[in-house]
Amino acid sequence: GQNIDQPTEMTATEGAIVQINCTYQTSGFNGLFWYQQHAGEAPTFLSYNVLDGLEEKGRFSSFLSRSKGYSYLLLKELQMKDSASYLCAVIEGDGATNKLIFGTGTLLAVQP
Amino acid sequence: DTEVTQTPKHLVMGMTNKKSLKCEQHMGHRAMYWYKQKAKKPPELMFVYSYEKLSINESVPSRFSPECPNSSLLNLHLHALQPEDSALYLCASSHEDRANTEAFFGQGTRLTVV
Repeated sequence: GQNIDQPTEMTATEGAIVQINCTYQTSGFNGLFWYQQHAGEAPTFLSYNVLDGLEEKGRFSSFLSRSKGYSYLLLKELQMKDSASYLCAVIEGDGATNKLIFGTGTLLAVQP
Repeated sequence: DTEVTQTPKHLVMGMTNKKSLKCEQHMGHRAMYWYKQKAKKPPELMFVYSYEKLSINESVPSRFSPECPNSSLLNLHLHALQPEDSALYLCASSHEDRANTEAFFGQGTRLTVV
């Protein structure tokens, strides 16, 4: 089985920085994604990590430590439109057949 | 075209009805997925199709029956559903032979079983 855990809710202020953590225990790890999902909408891709380290993409950065089963998503210069659910998702599989398994999700509220 | 299109957007059905959800993509992706998402919960994997063959069934009840008629289409046939099956049903696709590319999601079908 798999365990992918995130904090349920977080609150942050516009213009600030927030870090959303994700811990996982899975088998056949082939990478980790972060998705953003606004209420009533489809999840949209933010980032992908498969090697240890930090991947930076504009205001969003994602970090992975495979040995610790840990990732975080860092959001800088928060904007009101960043209020959404943030989903950590792990790819499990043998490379030929892969499953994208989602974590519990973190609902982020950005306040003025 | 980087879209995954799902129809219908909303569906209300009775417990004795038979209905189908449809999903279409023209990105040449050979892996397609069905997910179920309840309110304020993450998406839960139901089925994975790889090269038009069912490769993963996450112990989904038989009242949900997937079908992949060709590489661009994925259906989910529904029969004798229960009210607890009401949820957002998301379809996604990705490159099968490259695990490091993201899955693209459709907007989902919001299903209500009455």
